[in-house]
Amino acid sequence: EMQLVESGGGLVQPGGSLGLSCAASGFSFSGHWMYWVRQAPGKGLVWVAKINSDGTSTQYADSVKGRFTISRDNAKNTLYLQMNSLRVDDTALYYCAGVRPGCWGQGTLVTVS
Amino acid sequence: QAVVTQEPSLTVSPGGTVTLTCGFSTGAVASGHLPFWFQQKPGQAPRTLIYDANNKYSWTPARFSGSLLGGKAALTLSGAQPEDEAEYYCLLFNGGIAVFGGGTQLTVL
Repeated sequence: EMQLVESGGGLVQPGGSLGLSCAASGFSFSGHWMYWVRQAPGKGLVWVAKINSDGTSTQYADSVKGRFTISRDNAKNTLYLQMNSLRVDDTALYYCAGVRPGCWGQGTLVTVS
Repeated sequence: QAVVTQEPSLTVSPGGTVTLTCGFSTGAVASGHLPFWFQQKPGQAPRTLIYDANNKYSWTPARFSGSLLGGKAALTLSGAQPEDEAEYYCLLFNGGIAVFGGGTQLTVL
């Protein structure tokens, strides 16, 4: 069974930093692009960042470019998101997703306040 | 940045058929935009239903189908069930950038 489990969310002050992790199992993690997607309370899905299968190529939404860094460790089947200079409008549930395999985590809540 | 448009809300009768669409502010949606469709119920993570416009996963109910229709991506639900009431999101890729639509709230009533 495919599974993604996010961790690392919490409450942080504006300007602070937080690191998220996503542990993958049940599918070929190293063979797929991976994504971070966020959803503010009561709002829609917003793509945040993506990384290619071997970690050599990344892309970011304009709203997080220069502040967030996506990375992965294929040996550990783990995806990361380092978030710096956090703003109040970064408050959201952050999902880890393997879009093409069709796998989503349950999300980890980040609150900037 | 490109904007992906979806109907804010639609209603379908039980057993009925409804088509949700997904448009692109830059022009027609094509297969190269790799349309995805997701279903999200309250309090749950999204579930992927369709990839590359018209391909299903093993878990996708047969009553859901994807297509390209009139310059848009489309998700058709044939034989709606009460459990299909949910928010539906499409995702398009434009120059490698992923853009979600704003979502369609589907009511089965």
